[in-house]
Amino acid sequence: LAKTTQPISMDSYEGQEVNITCSHNNIATNDYITWYQQFPSQGPRFIIQGYKTKVTNEVASLFIPADRKSSTLSLPRVSLSDTAVYYCLLKSNTGKLIFGQGTTLQVKP
Amino acid sequence: KAGVTQTPRYLIKTRGQQVTLSCSPISGHRSVSWYQQTPGQGLQFLFEYFSETQRNKGNFPGRFSGRQFSNSRSEMNVSTLELGDSALYLCASRGREGDTEAFFGQGTRLTVV
Repeated sequence: LAKTTQPISMDSYEGQEVNITCSHNNIATNDYITWYQQFPSQGPRFIIQGYKTKVTNEVASLFIPADRKSSTLSLPRVSLSDTAVYYCLLKSNTGKLIFGQGTTLQVKP
Repeated sequence: KAGVTQTPRYLIKTRGQQVTLSCSPISGHRSVSWYQQTPGQGLQFLFEYFSETQRNKGNFPGRFSGRQFSNSRSEMNVSTLELGDSALYLCASRGREGDTEAFFGQGTRLTVV
């Protein structure tokens, strides 16, 4: 199964844009790149999904270069409530979602 | 519509006992997955059911089992509990098998003493 690598932790300040990069060198042709957010003692929550180029929704943007070996989740103007763990996943046609260690984002005032 | 409901929210069991956890997916969803989350191992996939059939299985011992009923509700059973089974057990539902967006419940916090 393709594996993802992302930073263990990141710090930011309120109002800043945060970019979390995920590496997935062995991504398969039919894999989609998916990001989830998890707050303490809660289940993960789907944020965004993409296959290539750029995807944007009301929460975040996802940038995927042409070779698809990495992707970057961009959170605009973060607030304290964005403090959470962010997971980058590859979703294959088998449907199984494999979570890595995630990136713990700490937003400071 | 109601989200994914997991019961109970908290559970304390003794080593050697068995436990059954329940998950009611979002109405209309037919796919249910189970995950174990611990501080050391993170979120690990246990198994996935779709239309009462197990579709995928993670690398867990046979003590971990599950099933899905005709109304899509799912149960997970762990027999002969070990201290290392203490974890947050999360259930996720998807509308269709293979959908990317999975909706997670609040989880069941199991403590084995």
